[in-house]
Amino acid sequence: AQSVTQLGSHVSVSEGALVLLRCNYSSSVPPYLFWYVQYPNQGLQLLLKYTTGATLVKGINGFEAEFKKSETSFHLTKPSAHMSDAAEYFCAVALNQAGTALIFGKGTTLSVSS
Amino acid sequence: GAGVSQTPSNKVTEKGKYVELRCDPISGHTALYWYRQSLGQGPEFLIYFQGTGAADDSGLPNDRFFAVRPEGSVSTLKIQRTERGDSAVYLCASSQGGLNEQFFGPGTRLTVL
Repeated sequence: AQSVTQLGSHVSVSEGALVLLRCNYSSSVPPYLFWYVQYPNQGLQLLLKYTTGATLVKGINGFEAEFKKSETSFHLTKPSAHMSDAAEYFCAVALNQAGTALIFGKGTTLSVSS
Repeated sequence: GAGVSQTPSNKVTEKGKYVELRCDPISGHTALYWYRQSLGQGPEFLIYFQGTGAADDSGLPNDRFFAVRPEGSVSTLKIQRTERGDSAVYLCASSQGGLNEQFFGPGTRLTVL
């Protein structure tokens, strides 16, 4: 069965610092992986996704993630944090290509200080 | 264009009552999903519709939960005999199917007293 583990429920960085949010997955089939962001009082929004092809995936707002099969990881990074990046971030895995349920991790809250 | 909308935004009910939560997906989206998000947790899958039919309802926790999508657009999640443990934010999402982006609504916060 597929599952997702997000390491660290809360990450704090300074403005301009590297952002690294960790996600490890468990899947019995080739995974389809996603990162979603939830800003305060807003709905979930897709940041980026990996389905097939290039393992380094670029998303919106300068975020990117790299699929590493050997490490079963899909960590999210951004070279330089902005105050506006403060939000909750969720990693998710799709059950299959037909597009059924997403299995989400518990989320990581990112705080950015000036 | 209009995104996914959910009504009501907040619902307070008493234990044992029946509630209905409504989801209006993005026009033209064939796939519709319901999730439930408890405090401090990620969204938990409940049910997925492709068109009018429930393609996967494996996430529904028990037979008190039921969802319909009779015309392949609007969906209603129905909860009978509500329990305090049902308190959560219920999220709806829609997509063009497959691995296309799921667009999420703002959610309905259900509180069972």
